[in-house]
Amino acid sequence: EAGVTQSPTHLIKTRGQQVTLRCSPISGHTSVYWYQQALGLGLQFLLWYDEGEERNRGNFPPRFSGRQFPNYSSELNVNALELEDSALYLCASSPDREEDTQYFGPGTRLTVL
Amino acid sequence: GNSVTQMEGPVTLSEEAFLTINCTYTATGYPSLFWYVQYPGEGLQLLLKATKADDKGSNKGFEATYRKETTSFHLEKGSVQVSDSAVYFCALNSYNNDMRFGAGTRLTVKP
Repeated sequence: EAGVTQSPTHLIKTRGQQVTLRCSPISGHTSVYWYQQALGLGLQFLLWYDEGEERNRGNFPPRFSGRQFPNYSSELNVNALELEDSALYLCASSPDREEDTQYFGPGTRLTVL
Repeated sequence: GNSVTQMEGPVTLSEEAFLTINCTYTATGYPSLFWYVQYPGEGLQLLLKATKADDKGSNKGFEATYRKETTSFHLEKGSVQVSDSAVYFCALNSYNNDMRFGAGTRLTVKP
């Protein structure tokens, strides 16, 4: 069974630009989660989508947004990039909104110059 | 709010040594508890979990017991290997699936 996949692997952007990260959950999983792992800040919860709807949001500004498609894949969009947005962005999935175990992808490394 | 505190690293051990990484939590209700491992350049892999008090999670020689009375979920392994070198994260998940992670503990095992 294929795990959670994310693209791209690495990304370099400049301050002020916009970026889109992509995630495909494990087949059959309907819930997708996004986390930011920034140096020195640990793992912080960003967003949770289930069945196409945003279910919960972490303490991040509105320029972090996303969506979930009918096939349950998801995008994370970050507008007006700031240097502090440089981080590893991790996507996770779970079978449904009741299952509390999350399975993580390899992440997308974003560098903002 | 919910939070996890885990032992600061880094931890350096010799091969075959005993490992303990401490983890305590603060939570309302009855959260599920997890240990994840992150190898260099990779995402997080689920190592083990426990969903209720006194449950013991185990995998690959690692184990942790959900202790409600001490709000702890310490990770242990009797004999570590070089291949166990990684960063270990303790985490809890309660309602609303907002999983909270500890800061991570870097383990280095030397031959």
